Order: sequence, then C-alpha cells, then structure tokens
Amino acid sequence: AQSVTQPDIHITVSEGASLELRCNYSYGATPYLFWYVQSPGQGLQLLLKYFSGDTLVQGIKGFEAEFKRSQSSFNLRKPSVHWSDAAEYFCAVFPIQGAQKLVFGQGTRLTINP
Amino acid sequence: DTGVSQDPRHKITKRGQNVTFRCDPISEHNRLYWYRQTLGQGPEFLTYFQNEAQLEKSRLLSDRFSAERPKGSFSTLEIQRTEQGDSAMYLCASSLAAGLDSGANVLTFGAGSRLTVL
Repeated sequence: AQSVTQPDIHITVSEGASLELRCNYSYGATPYLFWYVQSPGQGLQLLLKYFSGDTLVQGIKGFEAEFKRSQSSFNLRKPSVHWSDAAEYFCAVFPIQGAQKLVFGQGTRLTINP
Repeated sequence: DTGVSQDPRHKITKRGQNVTFRCDPISEHNRLYWYRQTLGQGPEFLTYFQNEAQLEKSRLLSDRFSAERPKGSFSTLEIQRTEQGDSAMYLCASSLAAGLDSGANVLTFGAGSRLTVL
C-alpha cells in the first residue's frame, strides 16, 4: 500500500546540536517530496521540496533534505538547531500518477533542550 | 496577496449544531484543498476542487459534510449535525495546477479553523 512513514514520533535535542528527521515512502514511482513545519496552533509552512535533479535540496531556516532513491527516503537535516525550531515536522508526498493530493506522514514533534 | 485565509479561526459549538468554515485561496490558484487534522496526527485529505469542480472526496467526508466552491474562488466547508468526533483543525490549502508544471504540486496552507464540539 502507498504510504509515508515518519518513524520518530518525538525527538529531543539540545540547542546547537545537529538534527535529522527521518521519512520513508512507499510508492511505485518516486513522488514529489516535501517537508512542512507546524508551530502550535498554526498552519503548515513549506520548508523545502524535491521534484528532480540534485538529491540534496536546501530549504528555509537552514534546513536541508537528501533524497535517496535506493532507500525510498527523504530525511530532513539541520547542522545546528535553535530553540525556535521546536515544532511539529511533517513529511509529505504528492504522487506523480493517480491521486492529485498531498499525503502526509504522522509527524515528528521536535523539542529543544536549552 | 495575503496568502490563504480561513475563517473563523476558532469555533466552539454544541453537538448537533451546524457549522460552516470559509476559505479564501491565493487569488491566482485554481486548486483548493480541504484537510482535517486531529491532535498528534498528520493532516488527512478531505476533498479538493479544480476551479468550481469538486474532483475528489475522501471516505472521511461523510454525508454530514459538504464543500462548495461556487465561483471557483472561495470555498465553504459545512458540517451538519456535528458530533464530538468532528472536533479537529480544518485546514485549507491552494495551488496552481498547470498541466505538468511541477509548481502545480506546491500547496500553500492557511492557518486553519479549529472546531471544538461540546
């Protein structure tokens, strides 16, 4: 079945530490790939997207993500987190064929320790 | 352009009442999506429009739910006879669909309308 999986429900890191949030997808053809961030009580803000080309994509707020076709993964990274990065992060896919809608993972809640 | 606007931001209602949410998309966007998000979960697709045509509806959209986009601009989502299980954040998003243009697949979200059913 087609799905998007974020294995980590909750991650805690210290301010200044590096961060990696995992995302795996299961689709026949590589879909378009996205990461969104949601602060409490707010809507979703696009961090970055991958459609084709260079497998390392840069986004806003110092985030980057790497697409690995062999692992069906699109992990989000940041070299040094700030307290303001505490939020919920969602990986999402938009299938190239079939349903014309964004499908989300369950989300990873990020907590930052001072 | 002020982005995607949703109104109201918060709605508290009693079980059995009807509620309506409004979404104003980015003006040049022809696609409009509705999602529902419950606490601790990712957004779940409800329905989407291309211009005024409703092209897909999720099984989540029971017969108590109806969405319209009468002139291909703003949209409304109505829930009749609300139940406590309808309590959620209702998110609207819009995008520009233009054939195979990959930019068509970037959804811009509004801040959401939070519904609490007592």
